[in-house]
Amino acid sequence: GENVEQHPSTLSVQEGDSAVIKCTYSDSASNYFPWYKQELGKRPQLIIDIRSNVGEKKDQRIAVTLNKTAKHFSLHITETQPEDSAVYFCAASKGGKLIFGQGTELSVKP
Amino acid sequence: DAGVTQSPTHLIKTRGQQVTLRCSPKSGHDTVSWYQQALGQGPQFIFQYYEEEERQRGNFPDRFSGHQFPNYSSELNVNALLLGDSALYLCASSRGVLYEQYFGPGTRLTVT
Repeated sequence: GENVEQHPSTLSVQEGDSAVIKCTYSDSASNYFPWYKQELGKRPQLIIDIRSNVGEKKDQRIAVTLNKTAKHFSLHITETQPEDSAVYFCAASKGGKLIFGQGTELSVKP
Repeated sequence: DAGVTQSPTHLIKTRGQQVTLRCSPKSGHDTVSWYQQALGQGPQFIFQYYEEEERQRGNFPDRFSGHQFPNYSSELNVNALLLGDSALYLCASSRGVLYEQYFGPGTRLTVT
């Protein structure tokens, strides 16, 4: 069935370092890949997304890359700040149904 | 411009009871999707409504049902509640079924 694996489950970095979170999806028909940030007790917030006809997308300190052949996609955060601390979820979608990974708890230490 | 809203914020029910959760989509959005998020896990897709029809459904039993109204708002109904139904229920709205989904704050359901 449809599945998204996300690694690592926890990630701790020093302020200013880069952070990378990786996801693998099983359904090759998936064509939309959003990333959400969820702070404790808050709603998931869409931070960046990419569609299958694009290999990379960047928005200021955040970038996402997609390798359709390997069915991998990754989130890259540069120059991390304490306010980047949260749980990050990747998702893969076909036809509007989002399948989420298990989440990565990112901790940015000042 | 109001974002996605949900009511109630919290709810406590007893096993076997029924519950109705409500969602109002972001202005300009016509599609509502519902997700269940257990503690420490990613959201799981329940179903999606577009043009007042259930368009897609995840692996949830028939105890979970929904409705979409002409103003695009939506309800999630859960019958015969089980302890395992305790979770955060999120709705997300989008401008069409294939576009970006924006989440509401969720309803925290506790079943005792």
